Amino acid sequence: RKEVEQDPGPFNVPEGATVAFNCTYSNSASQSFFWYRQDCRKEPKLLMSVYSSGNEDGRFTAQLNRASQYISLLIRDSKLSDSATYLCVVNKGSGTYKYIFGTGTRLKVLA
Amino acid sequence: DGGITQSPKYLFRKEGQNVTLSCEQNLNHDAMYWYRQDPGQGLRLIYYSQIVNDFQKGDIAEGYSVSREKKESFPLTVTSAQKNPTAFYLCASTSSGPGQETQYFGPGTRLLVL
Repeated sequence: RKEVEQDPGPFNVPEGATVAFNCTYSNSASQSFFWYRQDCRKEPKLLMSVYSSGNEDGRFTAQLNRASQYISLLIRDSKLSDSATYLCVVNKGSGTYKYIFGTGTRLKVLA
Repeated sequence: DGGITQSPKYLFRKEGQNVTLSCEQNLNHDAMYWYRQDPGQGLRLIYYSQIVNDFQKGDIAEGYSVSREKKESFPLTVTSAQKNPTAFYLCASTSSGPGQETQYFGPGTRLLVL
């Protein structure tokens, strides 16, 4: 089993749609969770950190379920500019600065 | 502007040649990282350094070497021992301390073998 697993997609959705991505992780000691966005041939950029209580930033909502060891990202009212690959990132455990990256979920928003 | 710079953007390597990728940050971050990304795959950790003059092997360190003589610099050398070096190389850094673990990335270097 991979340490961090994501559905690779692609998810093709129309503009204005709501889309959700899930990510599962295997290390129960992981403490920090993130979603990054990566455009084609560019570096990953932080989209949002994921907190236990869940957090929202505009059209984006992230949730963490520690019991089931998964995190989710919800995008509402999709825009063409949301088309990218979304990476789930998990640290290896408390006090460690090592991170595990998922392979990413590709989103394409269609006009 | 604070950030991470990587150079060159593209690098070509000949057989048997060592090449060095540059990574510089002015974010005053303690920890720095090198990752490799291959098409359709996630980022894989090559080396990381939490403080100056100290670094640790990641998951795929064979064929690579690093140094951390200054806080702001973490160059990566791809040696001739790395048989499949063609990839996108990303440098990252994080500050230390609770709640400050976010990784920031440089723009990357694409390495191609001639």
